[in-house]
Amino acid sequence: AQSVAQPEDQVNVAEGNPLTVKCTYSVSGNPYLFWYVQYPNRGLQFLLKYITGDNLVKGSYGFEAEFNKSQTSFHLKKPSALVSDSALYFCAVRFLSGSARQLTFGSGTQLTVLP
Amino acid sequence: DTGVSQDPRHKITKRGQNVTFRCDPISEHNRLYWYRQTLGQGPEFLTYFQNEAQLEKSRLLSDRFSAERPKGSFSTLEIQRTEQGDSAMYLCASSLGRSDNEQFFGPGTRLTVL
Repeated sequence: AQSVAQPEDQVNVAEGNPLTVKCTYSVSGNPYLFWYVQYPNRGLQFLLKYITGDNLVKGSYGFEAEFNKSQTSFHLKKPSALVSDSALYFCAVRFLSGSARQLTFGSGTQLTVLP
Repeated sequence: DTGVSQDPRHKITKRGQNVTFRCDPISEHNRLYWYRQTLGQGPEFLTYFQNEAQLEKSRLLSDRFSAERPKGSFSTLEIQRTEQGDSAMYLCASSLGRSDNEQFFGPGTRLTVL
């Protein structure tokens, strides 16, 4: 079955430290991979995507993500966390099967950056 | 603001009542999606339009749910005979053209069924 997993419900990191939010997927073939962020009372905001090409993709607000095909992972990273990065982060996958167009989301990871 | 807009932002209704939500996508976007998000979970796909054609429906979309996009612009999502289990955030998203393009999300409509 095709699925997306975010194994950590909560990630805490000190301001200025690097952060990683983990995402793994289970699918046959090559999916499209996305990261979104959700702030309270606001819609999801797109951060970055991997379609093809370089395994390291850069996105908004200094975030980047590394696609690892052998580990079927797409972890979100930032070299130096800010308190304002505190939010709910979702990994999403579009599986290239049939006419499917929708995104399949992970359950989310709450990131808290401590001052 | 040229983003995706949704109306209303909040809706409180009694069980058994019908409700309708509206989504206005980004103007040039031909694809429109509805998702449902419950507390502590990621959004779950409900249905998808390409222009005015409804091309996909999730098994989550029971026969009490209906969605339309009559002129390929705004869309409505109606829930008939609401149940307490329908309480959730209903998210609309739109995208342009290619399948690898990101979806842009609206702020959502929070439905509470009493």
